[in-house]
Amino acid sequence: AQKVTQAQTEISVVEKEDVTLDCVYETRDTTYYLFWYKQPPSGELVFLIRRNSFDEQNEISGRYSWNFQKSTSSFNFTITASQVVDSAVYFCALSANTYNFNKFYFGSGTKLNVKP
Amino acid sequence: GAVVSQHPSWVICKSGTSVKIECRSLDFQATTMFWYRQFPKQSLMLMATSNEGSKATYEQGVEKDKFLINHASLTLSTLTVTSAHPEDSSFYICSARAADTGELFFGEGSRLTVL
Repeated sequence: AQKVTQAQTEISVVEKEDVTLDCVYETRDTTYYLFWYKQPPSGELVFLIRRNSFDEQNEISGRYSWNFQKSTSSFNFTITASQVVDSAVYFCALSANTYNFNKFYFGSGTKLNVKP
Repeated sequence: GAVVSQHPSWVICKSGTSVKIECRSLDFQATTMFWYRQFPKQSLMLMATSNEGSKATYEQGVEKDKFLINHASLTLSTLTVTSAHPEDSSFYICSARAADTGELFFGEGSRLTVL
């Protein structure tokens, strides 16, 4: 079975604070992809990152960084020096080989509120 | 980058009417498109997978007669909510898989409100 868990329903931080959004996944497939998407109030999904199961290297993109750990089945997302514009709902998602990578399993999302 | 456009972005209709939502891949061909539904403050749930020229595959619990999907061309899939009721009010998002690269792109979503 495939499953993505985002235990943090909502997080509030003050601008310039660092914040980490947790994502834990379950899959029996050895080949899979993990994603993070941002959904601002307007509703569209903004792609942030895709990581395949064979690449455990952490990635940094500006203020964003991702920590992929297969040992704990986690793919956490950190925003450094958060800004008000980072306020949104963030979804972690998994697609696996079982369904030819067609079926996305989304976590329940974490709403991030960044206050000025 | 590749763009997937949905139209309309929001629609309000009366109960009992049917509403059609279009999903277009603007600069690439998509053999497969997907329709998701998102209730307020909830996650996205896959409703169906749409393949060009064939019948859509619906997820368990999704009424295929209620949510008609047509994928008539490599750049267009439509979702028709038939005889809409207030409980069908939701945010509907499509995604399209590029035929050449296999990359997946999401549309901007369509918000349906049924009065």
